[in-house]
Amino acid sequence: SQQGEEDPQALSIQEGENATMNCSYKTSINNLQWYRQNSGRGLVHLILIRSNEREKHSGRLRVTLDTSKKSSSLLITASRAADTASYFCATVTAGTYKYIFGTGTRLKVLA
Amino acid sequence: NAGVTQTPKFQVLKTGQSMTLQCAQDMNHEYMSWYRQDPGMGLRLIHYSVGAGITDQGEVPNGYNVSRSTTEDFPLRLLSAAPSQTSVYFCASSYGQGRNTGELFFGEGSRLTVL
Repeated sequence: SQQGEEDPQALSIQEGENATMNCSYKTSINNLQWYRQNSGRGLVHLILIRSNEREKHSGRLRVTLDTSKKSSSLLITASRAADTASYFCATVTAGTYKYIFGTGTRLKVLA
Repeated sequence: NAGVTQTPKFQVLKTGQSMTLQCAQDMNHEYMSWYRQDPGMGLRLIHYSVGAGITDQGEVPNGYNVSRSTTEDFPLRLLSAAPSQTSVYFCASSYGQGRNTGELFFGEGSRLTVL
């Protein structure tokens, strides 16, 4: 399977704390993307980082990419109850148009 | 702008029946794809298309068929439904290709149960 993995599988934190989730993948990539899924809904794009970038910020989100280790991390700062959702990384395999998703991290932010 | 529209939202089939899940997008995206989501498995790519008349297989293509006759539509056909195809199916589209492959826009999903 080409599917990546994310850890932790589940994460429970208090409102105001930071949440960090990690993604590992298996192939060479064009870019890596993070998505959010609220229960029972479609996924929503959060942020994209290209293979030649090492870090990217968007609001309360910070993404890092280490292509030598084939890994990425997503940091959500000052978490809110509304951040409760599942988070998925997706890689676009180099030389293809295949978006391959990780297994996801379920984040619960307690008010 | 409707974005990505999937129909039906819910469907129950008997083993051996065939059906088509519809997906339409109004964003003039070249790239369209189908995923299935099962508990603990994340999303797995079934088939994708980079433009009208061009389709290719993803990670789990067996038992599914696709075609792309227009830019807007990308239907997914289940040829002979099996209980293992019980899942939530998502259609997604994107404007980009290659190194500029961009964000995916998702539909709301189609929940399929095969008895």
